[in-house]
Formats: sequence, C-alpha cells, structure tokens
Amino acid sequence: EADIYQTPRYLVIGTGKKITLECSQTMGHDKMYWYQQDPGMELHLIHYSYGVNSTEKGDLSSESTVSRIRTEHFPLTLESARPSHTSQYLCASSSGGGTKNIQYFGAGTRLSVL
Amino acid sequence: SQQGEEDPQALSIQEGENATMNCSYKTSINNLQWYRQNSGRGLVHLILIRSNEREKHSGRLRVTLDTSKKSSSLLITASRAADTASYFCATDDTGTASKLTFGTGTRLQVTL
Repeated sequence: EADIYQTPRYLVIGTGKKITLECSQTMGHDKMYWYQQDPGMELHLIHYSYGVNSTEKGDLSSESTVSRIRTEHFPLTLESARPSHTSQYLCASSSGGGTKNIQYFGAGTRLSVL
Repeated sequence: SQQGEEDPQALSIQEGENATMNCSYKTSINNLQWYRQNSGRGLVHLILIRSNEREKHSGRLRVTLDTSKKSSSLLITASRAADTASYFCATDDTGTASKLTFGTGTRLQVTL
C-alpha cells in the first residue's frame, strides 16, 4: 500500500458550498498530481506540482485551485461547488520524471454536489 | 487530447484463461506504464516499459511495446477472479516531463 492519503473518501454537499479535498503523502515525493475521473472513464489531469510553492494547471480545465505549502500536503479547493463538479478526485505522487515517474495513488474522494 | 486508446473497452473471461489488452498512443514517448484500478479505488502501478524495450515480464504479466506502431499490449496469464479490475495504460510523453497521459481503460471481468 502506498503512503498517500485522501480525505474525505465520500462527500455529499449542496450547491454553492466551499470544499477542500485533502491529500497527504509520507514518501517525501516532490511531484504531486490531482486527477478527475468519472465512473468507468479515463483520468484527466487537473493540477500538478513539482515542489513547494509550485503549482500548474493540468490538461483539463478545472474551477478548482490547489496549493503546495508543504512537501507532503497538496489540498484541492472548490470555492463554490456545482453539480457539474460531481466526480471522483484522485491524488497521486511520484519521486521524479522518466522511469522514476511511477505514480502512487490515494484511494480517491468521491464528490457529489446536489 | 486523448493520448491512449485501449481496446477492448471491456473483456469477460473465465478463471485460468489469458487476458490481452491493447493500448495505442499518438506521440513519441519516454516510457509506457500499466496501472490497475479496483472499483472505486485509486490506481496501482503494475509495470513500466522503456521506449527502447520491446518486451517485459513481471510474474503473470507480460507487456510488449511497438514504438513503430505506437502500441502496447498487456497479457495476464492464468487469470484469477482477483484480477477483476480496470486496466489503464499511461504514457510519459517526450517534452511533457513528469506528466502521464492515461488511456481510456479496459474493464476486465474474470469469472469462476
């Protein structure tokens, strides 16, 4: 089992609420990623970070924001949740690029916005 | 844009049979990885093959890579019910250091 943790596992909230999805890893990895995945579908990269104070937007446009103040912590925030944000959010980390870019995933947060 | 297309989308076999999944991609790559995802969970890395390798084995897994055809296959031999999961290929594209692009996935069902 990888040492990367996501909380909460499940979240049901109403439209307009602000939420933060937590992701923490204890492996000391510099690189961290957030993916969005609808059931049975492919993963889409929405944010990534190559280290502290580094964040980039991914390939899929997202209204969420991220921060990387500590190496081990990479939270994702939605300022005002909408039903279109309903999805599974997966956090991952890796130690480097190339053959070191084996990504370790958390168990995911399944978000439902009513 | 979609990098990896996998086929079949879904595969149902009986325990003991072999399962083969294919992945095609569009750009030049540094390496290609395969991941497994149990229902509702995160992905688990299975195997990585470099762009200069043609075949790699790990236990019951065999991966091939044909860079001229931009395709890869994952073979699971002597499948077990516990192999039931979705399988994704992921490419580490040249010029996009440290980002992976995932395929559409193959859902494998292994029945007793």
